[in-house]
Amino acid sequence: AQRVTQPEKLLSVFKGAPVELKCNYSYSGSPELFWYVQYSRQRLQLLLRHISRESIKGFTADLNKGETSFHLKKPFAQEEDSAMYYCALGGSNYKLTFGKGTLLTVNP
Amino acid sequence: GAVVSQHPSRVICKSGTSVKIECRSLDFQATTMFWYRQFPKQSLMLMATSNEGSKATYEQGVEKDKFLINHASLTLSTLTVTSAHPEDSSFYICSATAPVTDTQYFGPGTRLTVL
Repeated sequence: AQRVTQPEKLLSVFKGAPVELKCNYSYSGSPELFWYVQYSRQRLQLLLRHISRESIKGFTADLNKGETSFHLKKPFAQEEDSAMYYCALGGSNYKLTFGKGTLLTVNP
Repeated sequence: GAVVSQHPSRVICKSGTSVKIECRSLDFQATTMFWYRQFPKQSLMLMATSNEGSKATYEQGVEKDKFLINHASLTLSTLTVTSAHPEDSSFYICSATAPVTDTQYFGPGTRLTVL
């Protein structure tokens, strides 16, 4: 069965500090992983996907198949990064399984 | 970029009535559309997968007779909550998969309150 685990419900850091949002997955096939972000009062939007290997807004995520992880990292957090972050696993027929999300707060 | 709209953004209805929510992909033809439900401070739960011209595929535990999905065209899917009850009150979100990139774009959601 597909499963996505985000162990931290809340994460609080100071501006300029590094941030890492953890995501672990369980999937028998070849995984396709995503990070979605939801800013306050806005819709869910794609932040990045592992196959594109892009860096968006300074965030990166590396797929580690050995550890079944896809942690999201940013070296220097900004206040505007405060949002809800969801890790998602793509399955058959474009279905996404979401983790429970991590609320990131970046303090000034 | 690809935009997905939902209408209405919020609706309040009486118990026992039916409510229809529309999901539209505004500038692309969606290969597939999805309906999610989100409870307060919780993650998105996939309810069903909607494909144009065919019956929706429902996730386990989702009553298909309760949540009717119609996918009339490549840009429109509707979710009708039939005989709504207070426990159906929730935030309903749709998404549409764009061709080529297969990226899911999300609507802004519809807040349903059943009195």
